[in-house]
Amino acid sequence: NAGVTQTPKFQVLKTGQSMTLQCAQDMNHNSMYWYRQDPGMGLRLIYYSASEGTTDKGEVPNGYNVSRLNKREFSLRLESAAPSQTSVYFCASSRAGENTEAFFGQGTRLTVV
Amino acid sequence: GQSLEQPSEVTAVEGAIVQINCTYQTSGFYGLSWYQQHDGGAPTFLSYNALDGLEETGRFSSFLSRSDSYGYLLLQELQMKDSASYFCAVRGRTGGFKTIFGAGTRLFVKA
Repeated sequence: NAGVTQTPKFQVLKTGQSMTLQCAQDMNHNSMYWYRQDPGMGLRLIYYSASEGTTDKGEVPNGYNVSRLNKREFSLRLESAAPSQTSVYFCASSRAGENTEAFFGQGTRLTVV
Repeated sequence: GQSLEQPSEVTAVEGAIVQINCTYQTSGFYGLSWYQQHDGGAPTFLSYNALDGLEETGRFSSFLSRSDSYGYLLLQELQMKDSASYFCAVRGRTGGFKTIFGAGTRLFVKA
């Protein structure tokens, strides 16, 4: 049981390049999330998907797009990377409902130069 | 909107008890969660409080007071391995159960 799997684990981009971060979960969860974590800033929600076919903006959506490809997969795309997007990105999933824990992937460390 | 505040750092001695506080502002939420994150790792779930009062799980306990918009995580018999960051989080009643995290409290456990 792999849980939440993110790829890649590390990435270096040049300013203006694009890339897609992949996330897949095998726990049959309805809800999936993308967070970014910067030093001293905690986890900030970029986008989330409450269920297959729906996506909504979180706290810091600018510069990102997402796709909920199916129930298992939720991808995050940077169309034109900027140095301000240098961060650690975490994907998470949870069951729908009120008393559920979020399970996190191991993170993608992205550097934009 | 939702916002959470917690201290940025706490230092304690091995074997001691430490309390990490969290105050929150939200228009409506299901409950307060706590997560632990070691350096270089992913956050992992510790506890959840939906109702007022204390929830105990081994050496860790968590408390919630909805009337005061306040909660805390209590760590007893501190061990060196408890050195990590601890995040409180709220799961909203609106917007598809989105979960918002506080900025985190870095706990340093000294020998």
